[in-house]
Amino acid sequence: NAGVIQTPRHKVTGKGQEATLWCEPISGHSAVFWYRQTIVQGLEFLTYFRNQAPIDDSGMPKERFSAQMPNQSHSTLKIQSTQPQDSAVYLCASSPGLGGAEQFFGPGTRLTVL
Amino acid sequence: DAKTTQPDSMESTEGETVHLPCSHATISGNEYIYWYRQVPLQGPEYVTHGLQQNTTNSMAFLAIASDRKSSTLILPHVSLRDAAVYHCILRVAGYQNFYFGKGTSLTVIP
Repeated sequence: NAGVIQTPRHKVTGKGQEATLWCEPISGHSAVFWYRQTIVQGLEFLTYFRNQAPIDDSGMPKERFSAQMPNQSHSTLKIQSTQPQDSAVYLCASSPGLGGAEQFFGPGTRLTVL
Repeated sequence: DAKTTQPDSMESTEGETVHLPCSHATISGNEYIYWYRQVPLQGPEYVTHGLQQNTTNSMAFLAIASDRKSSTLILPHVSLRDAAVYHCILRVAGYQNFYFGKGTSLTVIP
């Protein structure tokens, strides 16, 4: 079991460019979560999917951010027209999807917007 | 929104038993208490969770107050590998997403 895989581990973009972050959940897990972590704000929930369907995106910025889960083996977080304030570590987690189940986190993608 | 209060930092010496406190005075009856820890450059790692009864596993002992308004994560015989930020989080049963606070940064001195 390789755990949750996130690629790339580091990404540097110029202001205004698009960034796509990838997450491969643990096989068999039906829930996938995205979080953002900064020193100032700490770890913030963004959105989550269950059985590939979006369930709660209450933490997602309303503009420029979108997430998809086209199949059970991967999810993407896309940031359009990146801004310096988008610089953060983006964490993906998966869980078996049962109520109360623990979440298994990936190592994160460090996004730096210049 | 984080509904827990933890000290910003704590320090311990290798081999000691550490008690990490967490206050959750407004906890609801259907909220579980979760503990995660995180070391630099890695995602958070599950430690333990409980609802009402004390729980124990290979990593830690979770002591929950009888009124559930506070809990303590007890780490026996800490090692340098236990140095991390420890997050105490509440989550309603049946809900999936976590809301993390700043946590307690535990420093372990050799």
